[in-house]
Amino acid sequence: SQTIHQWPATLVQPVGSPLSLECTVEGTSNPNLYWYRQAAGRGLQLLFYSVGIGQISSEVPQNLSASRPQDRQFILSSKKLLLSDSGFYLCAWSLRTMRNTIYFGEGSWLTVV
Amino acid sequence: EDQVTQSPEALRLQEGESSSLNCSYTVSGLRGLFWYRQDPGKGPEFLFTLYSAGEEKEKERLKATLTKKESFLHITAPKPEDSATYLCAVQAGNYGGSQGNLIFGKGTKLSVKP
Repeated sequence: SQTIHQWPATLVQPVGSPLSLECTVEGTSNPNLYWYRQAAGRGLQLLFYSVGIGQISSEVPQNLSASRPQDRQFILSSKKLLLSDSGFYLCAWSLRTMRNTIYFGEGSWLTVV
Repeated sequence: EDQVTQSPEALRLQEGESSSLNCSYTVSGLRGLFWYRQDPGKGPEFLFTLYSAGEEKEKERLKATLTKKESFLHITAPKPEDSATYLCAVQAGNYGGSQGNLIFGKGTKLSVKP
């Protein structure tokens, strides 16, 4: 069966500091990978998606970037965090089929102070 | 504009008191409608996918149905462990290669009291 791991689970970072959130998927090959953000009182918003190694698409302009150095690894980064970057970040994966279900990781709570 | 609206925002039930959660949507070409359960501080857990009007799916005390404008999540004889936020999301047919661009509602927070 497939599993998705995301870390760290919680972090508190000062404004202007860098960020790196990591996500790995096990039990499948060539998955689509996604980063979502869930802000308080709002629905989940897609930030980035990737259909393969080195292939990243951004859905919204922002202070964040994503990379996919390996088939089942997805990284969310920032060079300088802003207060507005605080939120709950979720990594997710799906198969590459027309009818695909998105499966989410456990999430990472980021507080920028 | 594609959007998803869930109602009610919060629902309090007594154990055993059946009810339904609503998800209404407007989207250009529905590819799929998804229901997730989210516990506090956790990632959403997949429950159901519905693809066409008239489709129904069941899992334990939950049953999801779909029409051309809305979906219902029916909860029969709920238990306290069913307490969670239930999220509805749609996948539109006009999002090119971004199959993960689900449009989420804000969720319904369900509380079941013993």
